[in-house]
Amino acid sequence: DAKTTQPTSMDCAEGRAANLPCNHSTISGNEYVYWYRQIHSQGPQYIIHGLKNNETNEMASLIITEDRKSSTLILPHATLRDTAVYYCIVRVGNNDMRFGAGTRLTVKP
Amino acid sequence: DSGVTQTPKHLITATGQRVTLRCSPRSGDLSVYWYQQSLDQGLQFLIQYYNGEERAKGNILERFSAQQFPDLHSELNLSSLELGDSALYFCASSVETGPGNTIYFGEGSWLTVV
Repeated sequence: DAKTTQPTSMDCAEGRAANLPCNHSTISGNEYVYWYRQIHSQGPQYIIHGLKNNETNEMASLIITEDRKSSTLILPHATLRDTAVYYCIVRVGNNDMRFGAGTRLTVKP
Repeated sequence: DSGVTQTPKHLITATGQRVTLRCSPRSGDLSVYWYQQSLDQGLQFLIQYYNGEERAKGNILERFSAQQFPDLHSELNLSSLELGDSALYFCASSVETGPGNTIYFGEGSWLTVV
């Protein structure tokens, strides 16, 4: 599976957009990009995923570069409840989801 | 609520003992995954089952075993427990196993070994 690189931590002001980057320069054509988040010690929560095209749902937007080597998760209006560890994962085939260290996002008032 | 149900939520047991963690996947999901999360290791994949058969193995110790039953629920058995086995154990499920199938996680079972 392709490896991902994320910043260790980020801060965001409440009400502003949170843009979380992820580098996956070794991604293959059939590998999906998934984003999850984990609040405290709760179960990881699915946010969004994509293959080639940008995606948007009620939680977030996922922007994947044309060469697919990086992506950005956008939380349009961050709230304090969005403080969590965000995981960017590249998944291929029938494999499970392999988690890295993620980005610890802190939303500040 | 992801629809994945795990029991028990909390468990305290002594070293050397054996415990069983139970998972009910989301309705209609055929694949079940088990993960371990300890403070110093992050989320570690243990094992995956699909429709009753083992599909993939991760960093699962020989003292640990799992199975998926005909009704698709799964159990993770942890034996000869050690202090280091204290962790959060997550179960997750997906409809199928393809990469476009989202995996949904339960809220976990806290295991404390004393």
